[in-house]
Amino acid sequence: DAMVIQNPRYQVTQFGKPVTLSCSQTLNHNVMYWYQQKSSQAPKLLFHYYDKDFNNEADTPDNFQSRRPNTSFCFLDIRSPGLGDAAMYLCATSRDHASGYQFFGPGTRLTVL
Amino acid sequence: GIQVEQSPPDLILQEGANSTLRCNFSDSVNNLQWFHQNPWGQLINLFYIPSGTKQNGRLSATTVATERYSLLYISSSQTTDSGVYFCAVEETSGSRLTFGEGTQLTVNP
Repeated sequence: DAMVIQNPRYQVTQFGKPVTLSCSQTLNHNVMYWYQQKSSQAPKLLFHYYDKDFNNEADTPDNFQSRRPNTSFCFLDIRSPGLGDAAMYLCATSRDHASGYQFFGPGTRLTVL
Repeated sequence: GIQVEQSPPDLILQEGANSTLRCNFSDSVNNLQWFHQNPWGQLINLFYIPSGTKQNGRLSATTVATERYSLLYISSSQTTDSGVYFCAVEETSGSRLTFGEGTQLTVNP
């Protein structure tokens, strides 16, 4: 089945230690998104790629970076995680901007010690 | 940016009861999706419904785009329906989904 896969499902890191979260998709969608969801809050968009074009949200901290080496994979890099970065990180894809319909992966829950 | 309001914020039901969740949005939209977030945190797509009515089993949804609201109906609720239900919209001028704050549904046996 076509799907969005996130690894790992649970990630523990130390304060200030860089961490990378991974997302892959078999849908061959052009757009990939990263959302951050803190406890009891709605998901918040961090950035997205349309093909190779990177689009950063205005209020996304500089501590967060992303890479998309090919259509299937997208990575979220947190350069120096703080305690406030502990959250669920959700990856999503859509065929293109016009279609709008987004498919979400299962998420990676990040703990910062 | 577009504002999305969901009501009620919390809802507690007995198994077998019916419920209606509401989503109001402040501007025209290209896309409206309803999601169920399960206890493990995954967002499950329920409906893609920028306008009209759709049904899937015990769930149905209606969006009245001209009046800027959408309703999600859950009939004969089951304990497995528990979780958070999110409405998310994409405004006509943008390419991102804006989420409401969600409705926390608890279905008791």
